[in-house]
Amino acid sequence: KNQVEQSPQSLIILEGKNCTLQCNYTVSPFSNLRWYKQDTGRGPVSLTIMTFSENTKSNGRYTATLDADTKQSSLHITASQLSDSASYICVVRTDTGGGNKLTFGTGTQLKVEL
Amino acid sequence: DTGVSQNPRHKITKRGQNVTFRCDPISEHNRLYWYRQTLGQGPEFLTYFQNEAQLEKSRLLSDRFSAERPKGSFSTLEIQRTEQGDSAMYLCASSPDREMDSPLHFGNGTRLTVT
Repeated sequence: KNQVEQSPQSLIILEGKNCTLQCNYTVSPFSNLRWYKQDTGRGPVSLTIMTFSENTKSNGRYTATLDADTKQSSLHITASQLSDSASYICVVRTDTGGGNKLTFGTGTQLKVEL
Repeated sequence: DTGVSQNPRHKITKRGQNVTFRCDPISEHNRLYWYRQTLGQGPEFLTYFQNEAQLEKSRLLSDRFSAERPKGSFSTLEIQRTEQGDSAMYLCASSPDREMDSPLHFGNGTRLTVT
């Protein structure tokens, strides 16, 4: 069964600090992995996409990594801001199946405090 | 605003009533998805349209749920005889045909509360 597990479930950090969120997956065959940010009461918004051949990709203060051998990804947030408070969801796409090719993680709830 | 639009944003209804939600996707997107999300969980797939054709339905979509996309543009999701377990955020998303490289564009959802 395709699964995506994220850790930690929740995290509280002080503004300006860095943090790293983890994503482990068992989705096969793998197509790509995407990180979404979901603010409270809003829909998820894509931050970055990782394909099989990519190890690291940055989008501003967000840096995603992918180890396709161990089936792990991480999202590193640098110099956190209050606006980073949100749920971060890891989504893995497979190449098989019908329209539903995506497996969603349950998200990491990040809170950035003063 | 050319993003995905969902209406209403909030809906409170009594158990047993019917409700209908609307989704207006990004105009050039052929693919449209409905998801359900409960607190502390990721979105769960409900159904998927390519243009007006409903190509896949999750087992989560019981007989009380029906979705339509009559002209391949907007979509509606109807829940009949609502139950308290239907309380959730219902998210709509759209993407272009080249879906593999494209993210899903989500609306801000309709939050349903069944009392």
